[in-house]
Amino acid sequence: AQKVTQAQTEISVVEKEDVTLDCVYETRDTTYYLFWYKQPPSGELVFLIRRNSFDEQNEISGRYSWNFQKSTSSFNFTITASQVVDSAVYFCALSEGGADGLTFGKGTHLIIQP
Amino acid sequence: DARVTQTPRHKVTEMGQEVTMRCQPILGHNTVFWYRQTMMQGLELLAYFRNRAPLDDSGMPKDRFSAEMPDATLATLKIQPSEPRDSAVYFCASGLSYSNQPQHFGDGTRLSIL
Repeated sequence: AQKVTQAQTEISVVEKEDVTLDCVYETRDTTYYLFWYKQPPSGELVFLIRRNSFDEQNEISGRYSWNFQKSTSSFNFTITASQVVDSAVYFCALSEGGADGLTFGKGTHLIIQP
Repeated sequence: DARVTQTPRHKVTEMGQEVTMRCQPILGHNTVFWYRQTMMQGLELLAYFRNRAPLDDSGMPKDRFSAEMPDATLATLKIQPSEPRDSAVYFCASGLSYSNQPQHFGDGTRLSIL
């Protein structure tokens, strides 16, 4: 069975600080996909990134970066120079097939204070 | 941009009533997912279809929930009879198997059972 753990329930930082959201996953498959989604206060789920298990290259997109380490089964997400608009709940998710159902973590509520 | 469309956006009804939620997937997507979000359980996969055939509905309470895809442009999730514990946000998502594209989520149906 697959499982995603986001141990940080809530994080609060002051604007412009860097913040890292942790994600640890469990799966028996050798082929799997990892995702991050953002859920702002308006409630929709916004896709941020997808990574497959064969691609351990870290990725940077603007102020966002992701660190994938198979050795520790982690897929952490860092926001650099945080902004108030980054305030949201962030979900890490796992799929054992590229187009199969997602198993979500419980989410991390990120609060960026001005 | 193509979007997944869910109706209704909000639904309030009394216990025992039938509830039907609808989803129009993105044109060309062959996989449709239903998820439920609650405070206690977080985001859970209820069921999903590929090419209109049900692939997995193990996350769905069988006695009162049913999911169908009458055609490629419509997926439905029905609850009969509804109970207060069914109150949640129900998300539909669609995707394309064997592609590099992630699932796209609709804005959800916020369901309240009184």
